[in-house]
Amino acid sequence: GAGVSQSPSNKVTEKGKDVELRCDPISGHTALYWYRQSLGQGLEFLIYFQGNSAPDKSGLPSDRFSAERTGGSVSTLTIQRTQQEDSAVYLCASSLVFSSPLHFGNGTRLTVT
Amino acid sequence: GIQVEQSPPDLILQEGANSTLRCNFSDSVNNLQWFHQNPWGQLINLFYIPSGTKQNGRLSATTVATERYSLLYISSSQTTDSGVYFCAVGYYAGGSEKLVFGKGMKLTVNP
Repeated sequence: GAGVSQSPSNKVTEKGKDVELRCDPISGHTALYWYRQSLGQGLEFLIYFQGNSAPDKSGLPSDRFSAERTGGSVSTLTIQRTQQEDSAVYLCASSLVFSSPLHFGNGTRLTVT
Repeated sequence: GIQVEQSPPDLILQEGANSTLRCNFSDSVNNLQWFHQNPWGQLINLFYIPSGTKQNGRLSATTVATERYSLLYISSSQTTDSGVYFCAVGYYAGGSEKLVFGKGMKLTVNP
């Protein structure tokens, strides 16, 4: 596709359930980022991929959060045993290489009830 | 890590006014980008500007890397310019690339 695609756009889940969020970066982009944004707040870094490797996982808030990237393309962010404080918009972004313009998807709005 | 500070934190303008947004960073960086988040939450890349000056229509940006700041100019503002503006800096640390965002600056343009 022409841009970064994220799915689902909205997800409502019950506390304690697991969720998977998907990101399709722009074709050929090697760098991929996940951020989290709570209502009215800034961007909280979660994880960075260069190809299939994740050299920086420092932003993952707990061991309930994990992410992978396969084939240097699609990435999934998994949250296990969701908690209400996990409710936020999860944003994915990609760039051709690290030092190049970053492009964001429209995000997945996660609501944990 | 590098600290990124944006100012002013909030700004309210009348349509047609000009404005300047500032982004300061605490150490040398490899790249700098400006983003606009519209009221629907979409984040759009405005400029990739590690140094120098760029212009795109009513918007222009200047980065003075040696003095560790960047400026985003908005001329003849329109209501569609409303939203939150973020700057982000990229640098290398601990064997990895880092991309750090400022806290953002909320712009409201009134008709």
